[in-house]
Amino acid sequence: DAGVIQSPRHEVTEMGQEVTLRCKPISGHDYLFWYRQTMMRGLELLIYFNNNVPIDDSGMPEDRFSAKMPNASFSTLKIQPSEPRDSAVYFCASSPGQLNTEAFFGQGTRLTVV
Amino acid sequence: AQTVTQSQPEMSVQEAETVTLSCTYDTSESNYYLFWYKQPPSRQMILVIRQEAYKQQNATENRFSVNFQKAAKSFSLKISDSQLGDTAMYFCAFSSLQGAQKLVFGQGTRLTINP
Repeated sequence: DAGVIQSPRHEVTEMGQEVTLRCKPISGHDYLFWYRQTMMRGLELLIYFNNNVPIDDSGMPEDRFSAKMPNASFSTLKIQPSEPRDSAVYFCASSPGQLNTEAFFGQGTRLTVV
Repeated sequence: AQTVTQSQPEMSVQEAETVTLSCTYDTSESNYYLFWYKQPPSRQMILVIRQEAYKQQNATENRFSVNFQKAAKSFSLKISDSQLGDTAMYFCAFSSLQGAQKLVFGQGTRLTINP
């Protein structure tokens, strides 16, 4: 398996624009997580899915953020409208299930909002 | 809620030396997992080592080992014979056994191995 695949690797956008980050988890993994990494707040969980269903979105900072998982092989994180303070590295991770708690991370998307 | 604290923002050692990174955590649960992740400049998060709280034996992976003190809620990482390629950010993380394997991370320690 190629691992967790995120796209794009880098995104630069202007304030107010819509941004969509994409993730393909490892095949067969039941859990998918979106994390955000900033200098100020470190790595924090935004939302996670179990079998394509959102379970906990308490980490999503504002209504401007939304995430979907239409099928087992694809998830998106959307920011609309984007703001400079959204600039961060966004990681997607997937995990096999209850008995194995290792999370496999994608390479992240570095988002810069100017 | 669980918290993870790494008290050493930065550390620097010479190649071939041994270095220990500290981590403490807070939880009311009795069973859980603890992890050390490495993040090199490439940004990739790489699992270094994992410890199940119900196992008393400390986990080891080649040059990497942990000192898990459950009562003290301490989970330090020891890197022996450090190499230049060990230069990276190191994150300690906690995962509950209940529910999903969502990770709570510490703030990280930037480790530099000098030639």
